[in-house]
Amino acid sequence: KAGVTQTPRYLIKTRGQQVTLSCSPISGHRSVSWYQQTPGQGLQFLFEYFSETQRNKGNFPGRFSGRQFSNSRSEMNVSTLELGDSALYLCASSFHGQNEKLFFGSGTQLSVL
Amino acid sequence: QQQVKQSPQSLIVQKGGISIINCAYENTAFDYFPWYQQFPGKGPALLIAIRPDVSEKKEGRFTISFNKSAKQFSLHIMDSQPGDSATYFCAASNQGGKLIFGQGTELSVKP
Repeated sequence: KAGVTQTPRYLIKTRGQQVTLSCSPISGHRSVSWYQQTPGQGLQFLFEYFSETQRNKGNFPGRFSGRQFSNSRSEMNVSTLELGDSALYLCASSFHGQNEKLFFGSGTQLSVL
Repeated sequence: QQQVKQSPQSLIVQKGGISIINCAYENTAFDYFPWYQQFPGKGPALLIAIRPDVSEKKEGRFTISFNKSAKQFSLHIMDSQPGDSATYFCAASNQGGKLIFGQGTELSVKP
């Protein structure tokens, strides 16, 4: 069974640009969560989608958005990039997202210059 | 109240020794407490998890001890091996898909 796939693996952008990251969950998983990982703040929850609906949201500005498609694949978008958005963005999937094992991808390393 | 505090930040243990990482939480609504292991260049992977109705859970060399009254839980790695060298995160959740992570502990097991 293939794991969680995140693309691209690395991304370099400049301030003010926007970026879209992609996540393909494990087959059969309907919940997809996104986390931001930085050395200073650690792992922080961005949002969770289940059956194309955002079910939970973390404390991030509106520049961070996401969506989920009918095949459970998910994208997250960051608009008007800031230097502080440089981070590893991790996607995790699970069957129903209710206090169960999350399977993480290897992440997308975003650098904002 | 949503925080999970983890200590120590880093830990060096000799091969064969016991590694102990501690976490504390404030939100009594948390009802799921997993530990994740992360190697460089990889995403976190679930190691072991516990729910508050039990005080201890053991899986191989890994044990979670849970103290509900003190709002603390800890990870014990018995017979630590160099291959256990990684960053460990405790986490807590009370609703689907939203894990609150501790700051992480960088474990180094010396041969």
